[in-house]
Amino acid sequence: DGGITQSPKYLFRKEGQNVTLSCEQNLNHDAMYWYRQDPGQGLRLIYYSQIVNDFQKGDIAEGYSVSREKKESFPLTVTSAQKNPTAFYLCASTPTGGMAEAFFGQGTRLTVV
Amino acid sequence: KNQVEQSPQSLIILEGKNCTLQCNYTVSPFSNLRWYKQDTGRGPVSLTIMTFSENTKSNGRYTATLDADTKQSSLHITASQLSDSASYICVVGPNAGNNRKLIWGLGTSLAVNP
Repeated sequence: DGGITQSPKYLFRKEGQNVTLSCEQNLNHDAMYWYRQDPGQGLRLIYYSQIVNDFQKGDIAEGYSVSREKKESFPLTVTSAQKNPTAFYLCASTPTGGMAEAFFGQGTRLTVV
Repeated sequence: KNQVEQSPQSLIILEGKNCTLQCNYTVSPFSNLRWYKQDTGRGPVSLTIMTFSENTKSNGRYTATLDADTKQSSLHITASQLSDSASYICVVGPNAGNNRKLIWGLGTSLAVNP
């Protein structure tokens, strides 16, 4: 089955710790994205990557970091610099070119305890 | 300011009934409009994508309409089912092929009761 997989589904982190969220896709898509979803707000773009070894900041990149060493993988690290990390994180992928439909993973709910 | 506004914020209907969700946008330039369905605690799933030249697009019991002149879209759900209970999100793309600029609405929360 082709798809996009996020893990873990639930994650708990102590204040001051970094944590990495996994995102893997086997759709052969070039572009990958990380969004954050909070209650009462629309999805907000954290980082995106259109090609391996290249990525760009989105609207709310502060306190986050990413890497894109492989086409299939786009992990997101939530660092201790992120002031309010508790949220629902969504990874998406699209083929490049044209008006591409975005495919989403099932999300990771991160809670800082 | 580019914005996407959806109404109603929430809606409760009985199984088998039809409903219509509204989306107004103030996005310029405008390239495309999408409707997504998001089940609680899951990622969004695409229902329809329309360009500015399309007036209507269907996906099973879901029919989206678009009026680019008035900057309004609607999503009509026919013969609702319990599994239609979800959040429905309207998303506007200002540039073709540029998913990093998508503008997301807050969604309409739909509950379908037996």
